[in-house]
Amino acid sequence: DAGVIQSPRHEVTEMGQEVTLRCKPISGHNSLFWYRQTMMRGLELLIYFNNNVPIDDSGMPEDRFSAKMPNASFSTLKIQPSEPRDSAVYFCASSLTADSYNEQFFGPGTRLTVL
Amino acid sequence: EDKVVQSPLSLVVHEGDTVTLNCSYEVTNFRSLLWYKQEKKAPTFLFMLTSSGIEKKSGRLSSILDKKELFSILNITATQTGDSAISLCAAALQGAQKLVFGQGTRLTINP
Repeated sequence: DAGVIQSPRHEVTEMGQEVTLRCKPISGHNSLFWYRQTMMRGLELLIYFNNNVPIDDSGMPEDRFSAKMPNASFSTLKIQPSEPRDSAVYFCASSLTADSYNEQFFGPGTRLTVL
Repeated sequence: EDKVVQSPLSLVVHEGDTVTLNCSYEVTNFRSLLWYKQEKKAPTFLFMLTSSGIEKKSGRLSSILDKKELFSILNITATQTGDSAISLCAAALQGAQKLVFGQGTRLTINP
């Protein structure tokens, strides 16, 4: 298995532009997580899905952020409009079931820079 | 608010030293404590601890959980330069898959 796949790996954009980050979870995993990592705040959970349904989006910072999971093998995290303070590494992770005993497997991350 | 605090935030030691990293948590409905290692890219899983007092070991790494005092430690013996990484701990909550991460400890092992 290729593991969790994220694209792009790096994104540089200008303030005000729309940014879309993509994630393909490990095949057969039913839960998907979006995290953001910064030096100041560490690794923060933004939103997670079980069986393609959003369960907890309390970590989404504001309405500029939205996430979708149209099917079991694909999810997007969109920022519109982007701001410099959104600059961070965004990780997608997946796990087997909706049970916190299961390990989460992380993708390589997307490093976002908003100028 | 659920909170996980790691200390120290940064640690520099010499190869061969033993290090102890700390993680304390304050969360509602605690289920388990996880340790991850993050080198240049994504965090990779090390341990999951659910019961107090039972040490988990993997090579030179070991970890233990104290559910009464709400903390865990990660020990690394005979450190090597390849152990340089960020160590992350996270609390998993009952009834949810949410992980609450600490800020991490940046560990640097000098030759």
